[in-house]
Amino acid sequence: EPEVTQTPSHQVTQMGQEVILRCVPISNHLYFYWYRQILGQKVEFLVSFYNNEISEKSEIFDDQFSVERPDGSNFTLKIRSTKLEDSAMYFCASNARGWDEQFFGPGTRLTVL
Amino acid sequence: AQSVTQLDSQVPVFEEAPVELRCNYSSSVSVYLFWYVQYPNQGLQLLLKYLSGSTLVKGINGFEAEFNKSQTSFHLRKPSVHISDTAEYFCAVSTNAGGTSYGKLTFGQGTILTVHP
Repeated sequence: EPEVTQTPSHQVTQMGQEVILRCVPISNHLYFYWYRQILGQKVEFLVSFYNNEISEKSEIFDDQFSVERPDGSNFTLKIRSTKLEDSAMYFCASNARGWDEQFFGPGTRLTVL
Repeated sequence: AQSVTQLDSQVPVFEEAPVELRCNYSSSVSVYLFWYVQYPNQGLQLLLKYLSGSTLVKGINGFEAEFNKSQTSFHLRKPSVHISDTAEYFCAVSTNAGGTSYGKLTFGQGTILTVHP
């Protein structure tokens, strides 16, 4: 069964450093998403991406964040200058139809020191 | 904007007992509703969804949920739980806004279900 994959599973970085979180969505999906879950809190929407552009973004998704689909398979989230409060689990998701169920990856745990 | 409230942060229950996890939502437009489960150190897995049609929906692992539009609820139920159902459960909603939906999911705070032997 096809699945969403994410790398790395755990990323440790120093405050102020840039990080890139990578995702490979399910191959025939057209809509892509990033969510984050700070420890002990709810899952929060960051951004949705369709047709090679951002469809919607949350208030969290400020100028420090960017997304890219550099080729036909990868979907990346970049944080330019990490802050302590960026420490969280980041989930990638995808679906074939924007309004239907989303398929989630296993997540990348980002720790900012 | 939509919001989701899961009324119970933790639900302890004994094995083979029934369980109900409560979810209420708020939205000014039509919604699509989902329940996801998260096992320790894993991603989110879909349990069931309501898009349209019958208000009683059945999902994997014997779970079911009922969409109640008048009460804006989508409670999750299972008649007999197993130890393996121990996990965190998230209710989520998306909307079809203005004829175009980009699928943004709004999640509740999560309910930790702990099944005791």
